[in-house]
Amino acid sequence: DIQMTQSPASLSASLEEIVTITCQASQDIGNWLSWYQQKPGKSPQLLIYGATSLADGVPSRFSGSRSGTQYSLKISRLQVEDIGIYYCLQAYSAPYTFGAGTKLELK
Amino acid sequence: EVQLVESGGGLVQPGRSMKLSCAASGFTFSNYGMAWVRQAPTKGLEWVATISYDGSSTYYRDSVKGRFTISRDNAKSTLYLQMNSLRSEDTATYYCTRGILGDYWGQGVMVTVSS
Repeated sequence: DIQMTQSPASLSASLEEIVTITCQASQDIGNWLSWYQQKPGKSPQLLIYGATSLADGVPSRFSGSRSGTQYSLKISRLQVEDIGIYYCLQAYSAPYTFGAGTKLELK
Repeated sequence: EVQLVESGGGLVQPGRSMKLSCAASGFTFSNYGMAWVRQAPTKGLEWVATISYDGSSTYYRDSVKGRFTISRDNAKSTLYLQMNSLRSEDTATYYCTRGILGDYWGQGVMVTVSS
């Protein structure tokens, strides 16, 4: 099975700060990497698919990148509404696997 | 507007069965693969199963293989998850998602396996 190692597990940042979350895949997954945001008590929401493509309706301050088997989600200027838990997902091969999640809080 | 509405959850004893449904609307259901993802209380997301757009292909995580069955009725725009031989570790909120990307998610339905 492909393992997705997500870091950090938690992150405290200030408004307008740049935030970066990473996921390391245990093997090549191409661009089959998505990022999701989950707010407390809510269903997850797709942010990024294909490693770098922004999902419909997602603010442009969110971006995704790839370097080999390392994938990153960047929030260029943190806003209050960005608080929540972020997950990566590899959908290259079953069993599809999520990262353990990154809890993003306001400092 | 795309909508996915899960139903069928609740409290069930270990070893018993339960069937979840997900009613889809706002898109052509038969054009999309669908999936179930679960989340145990206070835990992260866990992919459970995926079915192709026509139901011809299905995929499961190892821990549910042989116990869970994902299926669909394209005429009714409905996705199902038949869960047999339930265990305490199956306790979770189950989400229905559209496609391999999960670009839309339902609100989730809680399944509690306990005696």
